[in-house]
Amino acid sequence: AQSVAQPEDQVNVAEGNPLTVKCTYSVSGNPYLFWYVQYPNRGLQFLLKYITGDNLVKGSYGFEAEFNKSQTSFHLKKPSALVSDSALYFCAVRDAGGFKTIFGAGTRLFVKA
Amino acid sequence: EAGVAQSPRYKIIEKRQSVAFWCNPISGHATLYWYQQILGQGPKLLIQFQNNGVVDDSQLPKDRFSAERLKGVDSTLKIQPAKLEDSAVYLCASSLLAGGDYNEQFFGPGTRLTVL
Repeated sequence: AQSVAQPEDQVNVAEGNPLTVKCTYSVSGNPYLFWYVQYPNRGLQFLLKYITGDNLVKGSYGFEAEFNKSQTSFHLKKPSALVSDSALYFCAVRDAGGFKTIFGAGTRLFVKA
Repeated sequence: EAGVAQSPRYKIIEKRQSVAFWCNPISGHATLYWYQQILGQGPKLLIQFQNNGVVDDSQLPKDRFSAERLKGVDSTLKIQPAKLEDSAVYLCASSLLAGGDYNEQFFGPGTRLTVL
């Protein structure tokens, strides 16, 4: 069975500092991995995905994520945080051979000015 | 490109009443998803359609929840009768395909259901 864990309920970072939001996963086959962001009173928005190839994936709004197969992780990163990045972030995983995507519980990012 | 449309945005009902939600996916998207998002949790898949057919409904409480996707486009999700624990945001999403590479999902704004 596939699963995804986001070990931090909240991440606090100062504006201009780098940020990392952690995600680990478990699938039986090769993983397809996703990050989504949810702003207040808005639906989830797709940020980036890893399917295959380069372990460093670049996405929207300056975000990137690093796939690490040995550690079964897919951490979301940004070199310099903005106050406007404050939102709820969800990691999701799908087994490449399947059809069902599982979402993590979410991590709230708070960027302080 | 128009996004995923959902209605209503908010609904308040008494327990044991029935309620229906509507979703119109992005044009051309074969796959449609209904999720339940309880406050403080991630989205939980209720049902997934590929065109007209159901791909996964393993977490749909079938004694009270039902869903259909007419002609492979619009979809409705119904709860009858509602329970207090059904209070949540119901999200609809669509993607080009369920399998393969092109399956990032596009979400609607959601319907916030409150059961009193």
